[in-house]
Amino acid sequence: LAKTTQPISMDSYEGQEVNITCSHNNIATNDYITWYQQFPSQGPRFIIQGYKTKVTNEVASLFIPADRKSSTLSLPRVSLSDTAVYYCLVGARYNNNDMRFGAGTRLTVKP
Amino acid sequence: DGGITQSPKYLFRKEGQNVTLSCEQNLNHDAMYWYRQDPGQGLRLIYYSQIVNDFQKGDIAEGYSVSREKKESFPLTVTSAQKNPTAFYLCASSIEGQGGSPLHFGNGTRLTVT
Repeated sequence: LAKTTQPISMDSYEGQEVNITCSHNNIATNDYITWYQQFPSQGPRFIIQGYKTKVTNEVASLFIPADRKSSTLSLPRVSLSDTAVYYCLVGARYNNNDMRFGAGTRLTVKP
Repeated sequence: DGGITQSPKYLFRKEGQNVTLSCEQNLNHDAMYWYRQDPGQGLRLIYYSQIVNDFQKGDIAEGYSVSREKKESFPLTVTSAQKNPTAFYLCASSIEGQGGSPLHFGNGTRLTVT
């Protein structure tokens, strides 16, 4: 199972773009990168998944360089409601029983 | 609305008692999971089930038991053998394999054992 490393915490201000980087040096050829968001006392929520280059949806963008040893979740123009813990997971696509959640990155958005 | 329902939201038990946490889904997902989360920590996989009448141990199955008699339901029993049962328990479901889906989570049950 590929191990991931993320910053423990990050601070930002409303309206700024936030980039959270995840390191996964031993990612396998068939592994995808998946990000989840968790608010206090709630279950995590899927944000985005990608394999290479760039993926964008209505919530976020995911940038993956050619060597795939890291990835960056980009949240445009954050608001106070984006304060949450963000988890980066690596594994075969939708092979959820092999996905492992680390401690995540605690993002705090300030007014 | 499709989703996962966990009940109750808060549960209190005395040490030495078994307790069962409920998880029901109406997403028609084949796979279901139980995770445990301790304060400031990530989620740890307890058990998962990919089809009815079959389930597999996760990373921390000791002191827990599950059943999967129906596709919609995956109850978790925390037994008296679990040394530190106080935690936040999360149930999830997904479509597995090719053409599958990410995990869909319920809103959890916070269990306190004293």
